[in-house]
This record gives sequence, C-alpha cells and structure tokens, in this order.
Amino acid sequence: QQQVKQSPQSLIVQKGGISIINCAYENTAFDYFPWYQQFPGKGPALLIAIRPDVSEKKEGRFTISFNKSAKQFSLHIMDSQPGDSATYFCAASSNNNDMRFGAGTRLTVKP
Amino acid sequence: ETGVTQTPRHLVMGMTNKKSLKCEQHLGHNAMYWYKQSAKKPLELMFVYSLEERVENNSVPSRFSPECPNSSHLFLHLHTLQPEDSALYLCASSQEVRTNEKLFFGSGTQLSVL
Repeated sequence: QQQVKQSPQSLIVQKGGISIINCAYENTAFDYFPWYQQFPGKGPALLIAIRPDVSEKKEGRFTISFNKSAKQFSLHIMDSQPGDSATYFCAASSNNNDMRFGAGTRLTVKP
Repeated sequence: ETGVTQTPRHLVMGMTNKKSLKCEQHLGHNAMYWYKQSAKKPLELMFVYSLEERVENNSVPSRFSPECPNSSHLFLHLHTLQPEDSALYLCASSQEVRTNEKLFFGSGTQLSVL
C-alpha cells in the first residue's frame, strides 16, 4: 500500500511555541498534500493543503513546507495555543489514487 | 457541522449481533467513503462509492457489508464482528472520487465489539 509516514506520534508544546509535525511519502504520483485536524469526538477536518508547485503555503499561524526532492512535507504551527490541542493527520493523494493518511500526531499545548 | 451526519454515535455489540451504521451527506457530493480509525494507526480506507457504484474494496472482511442506495446515503452493515473490529468508523464525502479534493468527514461511530 502507498504509505505516508508521520512523526512524532505525540508532541507537547508550551503556549506560544512552535509545533512541527513531519511527514514523508513514497508515491511520486501524489500531488495533493492536505493536513487534517481532529478534535475529540469529531471527525477530521481539513486545515490546510498544498500542491507541489509551491514549496510553502501559509494560512494564519499554520504553514506547510514542502520538499519535493526529499518527498517530505511538514506542518508548522506558530504561536501555538491550547485550543490547537488536537490530533493532526497528514495525507497525500492524486488523480486515480485515493487519499492515504499518516498515523496522526497528538498535539498538546500547555498553558 | 461538516454536512456529513453519522448515526449512531456510539454502538456496543456482541460478536453474534447484526447492526448497521448510517451516513448521510447534505453536500451534493458524488463520492462517499468508509474509513476505519484505530488508535495510533493511519486511517484505513475501507470502501469507496461513486454515484452509488462501489469502486474500491480494500480487502475488507465480508463481515463488513456496505450499501449505497443513492448518492446521499451510505450504510455499513455489520455481522459476526470480532473484538479487533472495535474502532471509530468514519464516513466521508467528496465532490468526485479519486481527485485532489477535500474530504468532508462525519463525526464517526465509536464501535465496541464485546
């Protein structure tokens, strides 16, 4: 199966700090890389996504960095807040390929 | 709300029971999905439907039986499950299947098999 590997499994950050979650993929056909955020009792919801024609995309405090040659991408959360505490999933897909997810990172932001 | 509604939210069943999970999407999408979410594992794609036609079955055991009567509704029929089937079952939809588009997830059904 086409895998997406995500790390770390869990992350604890102090309020105001930077949270960084990394993902690596194998299938070079992937050309859509979203990040989903999931709160307890809820389904995952799209947070931000990037396509490989750019190396970085920023939306507010959330930034995706993309390295096509290394087949890696990461999520940076600047000025992390307790309300950001959730599980984050990276994913990858393309036309003719169903979306594949990483195993998730449980982020805790301490006040 | 995401526009994808799942019922029930919680389900406890014995190994000999038969139950069904229901999903309804109000987004006018053509593709619907069932995912299994287990702790510390990637979301596992189980079934994909496009306009009521099943387009993928990822080697899911036959004790899971999907049904898609129309493009707005998706069911997952369960029978003679095993304890390892306990997980959060998520329904999702997207405009079309196998395109680079956003998935909309429901809140899931937390299933416990005793």
